Amino acid sequence: AQSVTQLDSHVSVSEGTPVLLRCNYSSSYSPSLFWYVQHPNKGLQLLLKYTSAATLVKGINGFEAEFKKSETSFHLTKPSAHMSDAAEYFCVVGALSGGYNKLIFGAGTRLAVHP
Amino acid sequence: NAGVMQNPRHLVRRRGQEARLRCSPMKGHSHVYWYRQLPEEGLKFMVYLQKENIIDESGMPKERFSAEFPKEGPSILRIQQVVRGDSAAYFCASSPSETGKNIQYFGAGTRLSVL
Repeated sequence: AQSVTQLDSHVSVSEGTPVLLRCNYSSSYSPSLFWYVQHPNKGLQLLLKYTSAATLVKGINGFEAEFKKSETSFHLTKPSAHMSDAAEYFCVVGALSGGYNKLIFGAGTRLAVHP
Repeated sequence: NAGVMQNPRHLVRRRGQEARLRCSPMKGHSHVYWYRQLPEEGLKFMVYLQKENIIDESGMPKERFSAEFPKEGPSILRIQQVVRGDSAAYFCASSPSETGKNIQYFGAGTRLSVL
């Protein structure tokens, strides 16, 4: 069975400092992995996805994530945080079930960015 | 190309009433997924539909909840005799096909409050 664990429920950084949001997954086969962002009272926006191509995935707004099979991790990083990055971030694994992709969400990490 | 459209954005119901949530997928998408987000939690899969067919409803409560995606018109998630525990944000996503590498695009959600 597939599962995903986000190791931090809250992360707080200062503007201009690096961001690290941690995610570990469990999958019995090569997974599809995603990071989505949710701003308050908004829908979810895809930041980036990994689908067995390059292990370092670049997404929108300067975010990137590295797939590490040996560590079963897919951590999200950004070199320099911006105030507008404050939001909830979800690590998601795509679980193939009956030929389609059922998304399994982590519990989320709330990112706060301070001036 | 309009995104996934959900309405209403906010819905207030009293206990025992019915809630009907609508989702229009992106143009050209024939696959719809419904997710529920309880407060302070990640999204949980409820049901996956294609036109006129329910493919997987394993995440949907057996009673009071139903979903449809007719040949014409939006997908409908229906909750009968709502209870306070149904208060949540309900998100719809769509994709052009079911293959594992396809992205699911999310709507802005319907926030249901049960008084």
